[in-house]
Amino acid sequence: LAKTTQPISMDSYEGQEVNITCSHNNIATNDYITWYQQFPSQGPRFIIQGYKTKVTNEVASLFIPADRKSSTLSLPRVSLSDTAVYYCLVAPNNAGNMLTFGGGTRLMVKP
Amino acid sequence: DTAVSQTPKYLVTQMGNDKSIKCEQNLGHDTMYWYKQDSKKFLKIMFSYNNKELIINETVPNRFSPKSPDKAHLNLHINSLELGDSAVYFCASSQERNIQYFGAGTRLSVL
Repeated sequence: LAKTTQPISMDSYEGQEVNITCSHNNIATNDYITWYQQFPSQGPRFIIQGYKTKVTNEVASLFIPADRKSSTLSLPRVSLSDTAVYYCLVAPNNAGNMLTFGGGTRLMVKP
Repeated sequence: DTAVSQTPKYLVTQMGNDKSIKCEQNLGHDTMYWYKQDSKKFLKIMFSYNNKELIINETVPNRFSPKSPDKAHLNLHINSLELGDSAVYFCASSQERNIQYFGAGTRLSVL
């Protein structure tokens, strides 16, 4: 499984755009990049998944450069409720196998 | 209508006891998982269960045993509880491997 590296923590203010970058230098051809969000006392929640280029949904955007060795999760205009831990995962998209969550990035949004 | 539900939410017990945590998913997914999140917030996969095929993380002690009466349920039974078993246990399910739906967690405290 490809190893991921992301900042331990980030601070932001309400209304700002937040970009969290994840490095995955040894990503394999069949690996997908998936981001999860975890609020305190809750289970992780799927945010977005991509393979290459850009993916956007109602929650976030995911930017993946051509070499796929990194990815950036972009949260537009964050609010206090976006304070959470964000996990980047890189793995093949096969059912039944096991995912490895890293330490994640703890995002603190301030008023 | 909760997609992945776990019971109980909190579990306090003495060392040496045997306990079970129940998990049910109503998403029709084929694969279910159990994760352990320790005090440092690292989320570690314990088991993956897909169509009666069990994949075990080799670091999990054999005191932990998953039991699946049907595709919608994956219970976790723990024998001879130890202090180090104190953690939050999450159940999850998926159809596509990297898009997993998590329960709210069971906080286990072993005294």
